[in-house]
Amino acid sequence: IAGITQAPTSQILAAGRRMTLRCTQDMRHNAMYWYRQDLGLGLRLIHYSNTAGTTGKGEVPDGYSVSRANTDDFPLTLASAVPSQTSVYFCASSDSAGGPHEQFFGPGTRLTVL
Amino acid sequence: GQNIDQPTEMTATEGAIVQINCTYQTSGFNGLFWYQQHAGEAPTFLSYNVLDGLEEKGRFSSFLSRSKGYSYLLLKELQMKDSASYLCAVTGSNYQLIWGAGTKLIIKP
Repeated sequence: IAGITQAPTSQILAAGRRMTLRCTQDMRHNAMYWYRQDLGLGLRLIHYSNTAGTTGKGEVPDGYSVSRANTDDFPLTLASAVPSQTSVYFCASSDSAGGPHEQFFGPGTRLTVL
Repeated sequence: GQNIDQPTEMTATEGAIVQINCTYQTSGFNGLFWYQQHAGEAPTFLSYNVLDGLEEKGRFSSFLSRSKGYSYLLLKELQMKDSASYLCAVTGSNYQLIWGAGTKLIIKP
């Protein structure tokens, strides 16, 4: 079944630990995105990638890093987690950046940093 | 600055019609999206407007006025399954989406 998957579904993490959230899509989409969603706030873009091999910073990139070694995978790494990174993280992909191309979202990762 | 405003919460009755408004101020405009998000789930695409006017898709319609920085999502013949949050998002000059906080729609029998 074509789509976008994320792992883990949820995670409780001690502050200071390193964590990688995984995201894989099989739709051969060029563009991929990482968002965080917090209560009362809109989705906020962390990092994006318009095509394999390139990445860019979104609205809230501090404390996060990404890589895009191939078309399908777009992992998000928290180098040293802090409680303010407690959030729901969504990975998304689209055929290309901008224009009428809808973004398809993964099921999300619920992360709690204690 | 860039800003998207939507009502936080709305309540409507099953079978009725509801209009969810969205106003935006962004640097550049390359289209406006509406997404639906059920509690605990991922957002899913509903509609896209880039030109002024009304786009109709079944029970859902979306309207855009670029000169007023305004859009609305119209839901007709409301069903209980329409209880969800509705997210307005604008494509800015850098082609990244800027998201509103969403409107939680509660449907009552």
